[in-house]
Amino acid sequence: GAGVSQSPSNKVTEKGKDVELRCDPISGHTALYWYRQSLGQGLEFLIYFQGNSAPDKSGLPSDRFSAERTGGSVSTLTIQRTQQEDSAVYLCASSFLAATSPENEQYFGPGTRLTVT
Amino acid sequence: GNSVTQMEGPVTLSEEAFLTINCTYTATGYPSLFWYVQYPGEGLQLLLKATKADDKGSNKGFEATYRKETTSFHLEKGSVQVSDSAVYFCALSDGRGGSNYKLTFGKGTLLTVNP
Repeated sequence: GAGVSQSPSNKVTEKGKDVELRCDPISGHTALYWYRQSLGQGLEFLIYFQGNSAPDKSGLPSDRFSAERTGGSVSTLTIQRTQQEDSAVYLCASSFLAATSPENEQYFGPGTRLTVT
Repeated sequence: GNSVTQMEGPVTLSEEAFLTINCTYTATGYPSLFWYVQYPGEGLQLLLKATKADDKGSNKGFEATYRKETTSFHLEKGSVQVSDSAVYFCALSDGRGGSNYKLTFGKGTLLTVNP
């Protein structure tokens, strides 16, 4: 079946602009996660959703970052007033089991490469 | 906090060579352990996992054993192929208090297999 999809695949934006990154999880997956992959920091957890609620937003690096999920499906990660240090690959993942299950397996999308000039 | 340490790459091997990529972790509680692989131009894929001590995860000829006593989860394959060339990430999910959702990753190890 279809995997996790993300759009756009690449985004180049000017410093100070807002960007929206979209994630379509695997159908039926209840949990959704956002991570960031950058050269300096490796892979970092940002936020996760169980259904439409986000119990843990602790990984969001600043208040310029926000995310929402609607209808228990699509999620959008928004970065306001982008800075050059926001340049990274933003990865989305989803899982069928509840996020708190030890058997939880996360399936990742191809990522959105964000470049802030 | 939790952390994962992987051997630094890059690792270059000839086809049919034996592969070991070392991974050790620090965590309180009882994490689940994972190996993810990222092929060139593709997203992260789950390769194998183990959820408790002494479990062995295996897939596509790769295997790793959850060793609580040495806090390790080394990845091995007996005979690598060119198609195994990729970046390999060791990861754990925190088992404390039901917070299994948050994956902590190692820095990744680039493997190149030459024909």
